[in-house]
This record gives sequence, structure tokens and C-alpha cells, in this order.
Amino acid sequence: SQQGEEDPQALSIQEGENATMNCSYKTSINNLQWYRQNSGRGLVHLILIRSNEREKHSGRLRVTLDTSKKSSSLLITASRAADTASYFCATPDGKSSGDKLTFGTGTRLAVRP
Amino acid sequence: DSGVTQTPKHLITATGQRVTLRCSPRSGDLSVYWYQQSLDQGLQFLIQYYNGEERAKGNILERFSAQQFPDLHSELNLSSLELGDSALYFCASSVGSSGWSEQFFGPGTRLTVL
Repeated sequence: SQQGEEDPQALSIQEGENATMNCSYKTSINNLQWYRQNSGRGLVHLILIRSNEREKHSGRLRVTLDTSKKSSSLLITASRAADTASYFCATPDGKSSGDKLTFGTGTRLAVRP
Repeated sequence: DSGVTQTPKHLITATGQRVTLRCSPRSGDLSVYWYQQSLDQGLQFLIQYYNGEERAKGNILERFSAQQFPDLHSELNLSSLELGDSALYFCASSVGSSGWSEQFFGPGTRLTVL
């Protein structure tokens, strides 16, 4: 089953606009991670936010985390055509000794030139 | 390039057959993870190995097995293949085995079962 549910499932914007995608999760976490996947390729780690952080920035990316609502958002500012990809949130399984990541359903972002 | 390599890139086989997917982690990474990505199930964690030992298990079918060798490369064996096993199989690696390690993904193996 999916731990995270992304919203929206798909998003189409014009180059230069901002893109916001949201992730909701079910259980308590110690961190939340965002990954990007270009069509049919491997995932690329974007950013990790700890449970005691509310906001984190990396270049044009801004991630927020609200543990009380069990939700996170990823904002991409000044989008580019190269940002076209699927974006996934992922949470590690704090119950096991391993590092299992549970991924959300993903948001497909299309940036029109 | 993540530094994680997977072979083969594509695999086409028939139902009932057995295949082996191979993964080489990034240099220095001790953990290897296997994921399955399909249209209906999304991205699902299968299994994790850390320094040769199984560390965590997900929804991995009994027909599937994996191992990590002393040189840290890993193999995922899929047997008695069914049409529903058609999917992208990803390997990822990380330095540690806690929930704080960034995972680096390989390019994947696309398996088609006919």
C-alpha cells in the first residue's frame, strides 16, 4: 500500500510559472524525501526534510512539512521545460531496522515551453 | 549518472521462465534495495540488503529471491514468471541502513513477460 498520496496526480504549467505538489502520509515519520523521475528512468533524490524542520530550500525547490497534518509540499519556482518529470514523496519505515522507503503515487508535471 | 549500474536494460521472456537481474551499487555503499514499478501498483519496495545480509523485506513474492554478494553487488531472481510481473525493476544503494540515507537509483531493468 502507498504511504504517501500525491496531489494533484498531474499538473501542466507554462515555463516560468511555479509548480506546487502536495503529499500526504499516514504514519509518523522521522524524515520525508522527495524524488524526481524522468520518463522511464531511475529516480533522483531531490531533498530530505527532517521531522523537526518546517521548511527547507534547495535551489529552486522549496519543501514544507506539517507533521500535525501529516503533509508536505514541494514548490518548484520559475519552472523550466527540463523540470518535466514525475515527482514522488517517500518516507522511511521507522518500524524496521532497515531503510525501506515507501513512495507516494507521484505527481506528473508537464512544463510547456 | 547515479553510479548504480543495472543489467540488463531490457529483458523479454515468456511466462514460466526464470530471469536474473543484476545490480552494482555505488562505490562505498553497503545497502542495496530492490523496487518494482508498475502502472497499477506504483513503486513498491521489494527487499533490502546491507553488507550481505537481508535487512528489510517488503511485498516480495515467494517466487522472487535476492542476494548480496561479498563484493556487494546484488542479484534479483524472478522465477515462474507471470504476465503481471512485467514491470520496471530498480535497484538503489545507500551508504548506511538507517532511514536517513539518501538512496541512489540505477537506470532500471524493464522486464516484459509475454
